Amino acid sequence: EPEVTQTPSHQVTQMGQEVILRCVPISNHLYFYWYRQILGQKVEFLVSFYNNEISEKSEIFDDQFSVERPDGSNFTLKIRSTKLEDSAMYFCASRVTNHEQFFGPGTRLTVL
Amino acid sequence: SQKIEQNSEALNIQEGKTATLTCNYTNYSPAYLQWYRQDPGRGPVFLLLIRENEKEKRKERLKVTFDTTLKQSLFHITASQPADSATYLCAPPGNTGFQKLVFGTGTRLLVSP
Repeated sequence: EPEVTQTPSHQVTQMGQEVILRCVPISNHLYFYWYRQILGQKVEFLVSFYNNEISEKSEIFDDQFSVERPDGSNFTLKIRSTKLEDSAMYFCASRVTNHEQFFGPGTRLTVL
Repeated sequence: SQKIEQNSEALNIQEGKTATLTCNYTNYSPAYLQWYRQDPGRGPVFLLLIRENEKEKRKERLKVTFDTTLKQSLFHITASQPADSATYLCAPPGNTGFQKLVFGTGTRLLVSP
């Protein structure tokens, strides 16, 4: 069964460093999302991506964040200068035209 | 702004009983609502979607209701099993048309043998 994959599973970085979180959505999916979940809190929407551009972003998704679909298969989230409060699980999700979203296993980001 | 409320206290039930979880929403009227399951350290997994014109939806031991007057959805697991222990998330879409999910805090279900 096709699934969304994410790498790495755990990323540790120093405050101020850049990180890139990678996702491979399901191959025939058209809509792509990043969500994050701070430990013990709810899953929060960050950004949605369709037709090679951002379709919506949340207040969390400020100038430090960017997304890219560089080669038609990967979907990346970059944080330019990480802060302590960026520590969270980051989930990638994708869907076709119906509503069900398929989530990846997540990347745990720890900022020291 | 949109607000999704789920009971943040864990629900403890015995195996074989029916679990009922509640989701209340305010400040908007979603055309549909989804329920997801999340295990610790894992991504959410889709379970069921119910539309505003459907009163009830079933899938195996799962049942979801959607009351647009009360602005509430109920999620039932019948004949519960220890393997059903997880956090269950209510997720209507956002109101901007791009179908982001707006998750509630989730309710943790613990099913004891």
